[in-house]
Amino acid sequence: EPEVTQTPSHQVTQMGQEVILRCVPISNHLYFYWYRQILGQKVEFLVSFYNNEISEKSEIFDDQFSVERPDGSNFTLKIRSTKLEDSAMYFCASSGTGIGANVLTFGAGSRLTVL
Amino acid sequence: GENVEQHPSTLSVQEGDSAVIKCTYSDSASNYFPWYKQELGKRPQLIIDIRSNVGEKKDQRIAVTLNKTAKHFSLHITETQPEDSAVYFCAEEYGNKLVFGAGTILRVKS
Repeated sequence: EPEVTQTPSHQVTQMGQEVILRCVPISNHLYFYWYRQILGQKVEFLVSFYNNEISEKSEIFDDQFSVERPDGSNFTLKIRSTKLEDSAMYFCASSGTGIGANVLTFGAGSRLTVL
Repeated sequence: GENVEQHPSTLSVQEGDSAVIKCTYSDSASNYFPWYKQELGKRPQLIIDIRSNVGEKKDQRIAVTLNKTAKHFSLHITETQPEDSAVYFCAEEYGNKLVFGAGTILRVKS
């Protein structure tokens, strides 16, 4: 079964450092997403991406965050200057087209710990 | 704005009993309502979904019902097993994203 893959699985960083989380969506999917889950809390939407541009973003997704699709397979989330409150599990997701456009498949997540 | 309320926050049932989790949404234009199961430390996985053109959908021991007039939908798990223990999240499609409920911790006691 096709999978969304994410790297790294866990990253520890110092406050103020830049972090890049990487995702490889399912190959024929066209919609890409980043979600965040603080420990013990719900899954929160950060950003959706389609046709090489952001289609929607939440208020969490401020100027410190950016996304990029640098090539035909990767989808990255960059946090420019990490804060303690950025510590969370970050999930990448992708979805297809037509009736499958809203059926999200999640990656295994990247746990970010900011010290 | 988008909001999904989910109840209960925790649910303990005896193995073999049924479990019901309910969600209420605010946007009457929403047409897609998935349920995700998340085991400890794992990714959310889609277990069942329903679109607004039907009122009920069933897949073996799990079913989802939708009441568009009342704007609520429910997950029903019958004959619960220990491996059903997990966190369950409902969601609604809102714009270009899914908005998730706060989650229900389901514990199935054997």
